[in-house]
Amino acid sequence: AQSVTQLDSQVPVFEEAPVELRCNYSSSVSVYLFWYVQYPNQGLQLLLKYLSGSTLVKGINGFEAEFNKSQTSFHLRKPSVHISDTAEYFCAVSDRNTGGFKTIFGAGTRLFVKA
Amino acid sequence: SQTIHQWPATLVQPVGSPLSLECTVEGTSNPNLYWYRQAAGRGLQLLFYSVGIGQISSEVPQNLSASRPQDRQFILSSKKLLLSDSGFYLCAWKGLWGTNTEAFFGQGTRLTVV
Repeated sequence: AQSVTQLDSQVPVFEEAPVELRCNYSSSVSVYLFWYVQYPNQGLQLLLKYLSGSTLVKGINGFEAEFNKSQTSFHLRKPSVHISDTAEYFCAVSDRNTGGFKTIFGAGTRLFVKA
Repeated sequence: SQTIHQWPATLVQPVGSPLSLECTVEGTSNPNLYWYRQAAGRGLQLLFYSVGIGQISSEVPQNLSASRPQDRQFILSSKKLLLSDSGFYLCAWKGLWGTNTEAFFGQGTRLTVV
């Protein structure tokens, strides 16, 4: 079964500094990969997704992620964070061989941006 | 455009009481529907999913059940709540195979069992 590991439960960073949130998934079979953001007491909002093609994916709010098949990773990056980026971030994967039907989520990484 | 509604937003229930959380989707047909639970530090746990009316698959044995009485309606229920049922419950939908591959989430229900 698929699993997703987010290597950092919390990431504190100063405003305008770069940030990387790490994500690894368990299988090398064909997958769809996603990053979602969750603000307090709200649902999840899609940041970006990798379906196929270019391994560098750009999303909303200046975020990007790179798919690395050999390392089964999909790390999220932003070159300069803002206070408003403080939120919880979830990496997720679904198996394209079964139509991407079920999405499995990681435990989340709480990003805390300090002034 | 498609929208997903989930209610109530917050709920405080005593142990042993029943539960019914409702989720409806608008603007799409034959969605795949999902219930997730989010507990502190544990990410999102898939509880149930449904590919059609009356078709429910359970991912984790537990005190909860789900039903899909209509194409765009998904209900999460319990006959007797436990303290461990507290958490943030999220409903989500996805489109058909090969399209709309990301999940779209409702705003969630914060359930506190006391």
